[in-house]
Amino acid sequence: RKEVEQDPGPFNVPEGATVAFNCTYSNSASQSFFWYRQDCRKEPKLLMSVYSSGNEDGRFTAQLNRASQYISLLIRDSKLSDSATYLCVVSAGAGSYQLTFGKGTKLSVIP
Amino acid sequence: EPEVTQTPSHQVTQMGQEVILRCVPISNHLYFYWYRQILGQKVEFLVSFYNNEISEKSEIFDDQFSVERPDGSNFTLKIRSTKLEDSAMYFCASRADRESTDTQYFGPGTRLTVL
Repeated sequence: RKEVEQDPGPFNVPEGATVAFNCTYSNSASQSFFWYRQDCRKEPKLLMSVYSSGNEDGRFTAQLNRASQYISLLIRDSKLSDSATYLCVVSAGAGSYQLTFGKGTKLSVIP
Repeated sequence: EPEVTQTPSHQVTQMGQEVILRCVPISNHLYFYWYRQILGQKVEFLVSFYNNEISEKSEIFDDQFSVERPDGSNFTLKIRSTKLEDSAMYFCASRADRESTDTQYFGPGTRLTVL
């Protein structure tokens, strides 16, 4: 069974804090990796793709370790607007683009 | 910015009734998907569709479900005889056929409530 496991959370952090999310995946054939965010009762929205070399987008940094099958997301200088559930998502691989979602980690940024 | 749209936003139906959920994918995308999310649970893949046929489906996508692209813009999910456990958010997603990206973009979802 192909699974994506995430920190259960919730994470409650003050504004300005740095917060890290971790994720592991079981399917070694997975080729594509993403972090999505989901606000309450809304659709998942792409935050960033994750590459083996690591990538950064403003306050967000994502890392991928294929050997350990581990993905991380770091958010620096947290804003109130960062409050959401963060979903670790991987593709099925082997020519399949079916996405497997983690259950998500809820982040609450507190004033 | 182009986006995936879905209608209706909320559908209430009686158990045993048929429902059709509608999606308009991003116009130049060629791959289409349905996912569902039961309240409090993770997003789950249902089916993918390309070139007017199903390319993959999950074990959830049984004979009660069907998908169709009846014209050049709409992509529909039909549930023939709804069950209580079909109550969920149903998300449509689409993906462009470009080597440079395999990102799926999600619509706002249809909340299906089966009574």
